[in-house]
Amino acid sequence: GNSVTQMEGPVTLSEEAFLTINCTYTATGYPSLFWYVQYPGEGLQLLLKATKADDKGSNKGFEATYRKETTSFHLEKGSVQVSDSAVYFCALRNTGTASKLTFGTGTRLQVTL
Amino acid sequence: DTGVSQDPRHKITKRGQNVTFRCDPISEHNRLYWYRQTLGQGPEFLTYFQNEAQLEKSRLLSDRFSAERPKGSFSTLEIQRTEQGDSAMYLCASSFSRESSYEQYFGPGTRLTVT
Repeated sequence: GNSVTQMEGPVTLSEEAFLTINCTYTATGYPSLFWYVQYPGEGLQLLLKATKADDKGSNKGFEATYRKETTSFHLEKGSVQVSDSAVYFCALRNTGTASKLTFGTGTRLQVTL
Repeated sequence: DTGVSQDPRHKITKRGQNVTFRCDPISEHNRLYWYRQTLGQGPEFLTYFQNEAQLEKSRLLSDRFSAERPKGSFSTLEIQRTEQGDSAMYLCASSFSRESSYEQYFGPGTRLTVT
């Protein structure tokens, strides 16, 4: 079956530091991959996505590249801000369907001044 | 576009009671999903509707759980004879089948506490 593994948090960084949150997956076929973000007190929001191998998703300075050979989709940002403090979830969905997302356990990011 | 809304936002109930949650999707979205999120975990899929048809159910959805979407618009999720293990955040999401990305938009969730 499908599964997503994320690095455990919390990750604590100083403002302007470089961020990497690791995500690896197991899936049949060729899934689409997603990063969702959950800010305190808010619902899940789609941050970025990639639908095929070697695609790079990007949004708000965050990037992630779909690596089929390593089954990975690591999230990166060159310079984090305090406002990036949130919980980040990696997720996958099997290609060609509109059905369920399979999520990782989430990684809490805390950015300090 | 008012987004996905859920009601109530919080519910505290005693073990053994029945509870019902409501989800209103984005108006033109024909697909609706329910997920459950427990503390420190990612959301887990429960069930999914396309219009009024319930097309997929997770094994997590025991016979105490029932979901409906009677007119293909809002949906309800009922839990009968609640147990403490049902305490969680219940998330609703919706999407539009004509969008190739099938992006799911999430509501703020209903937090259930069973005492």
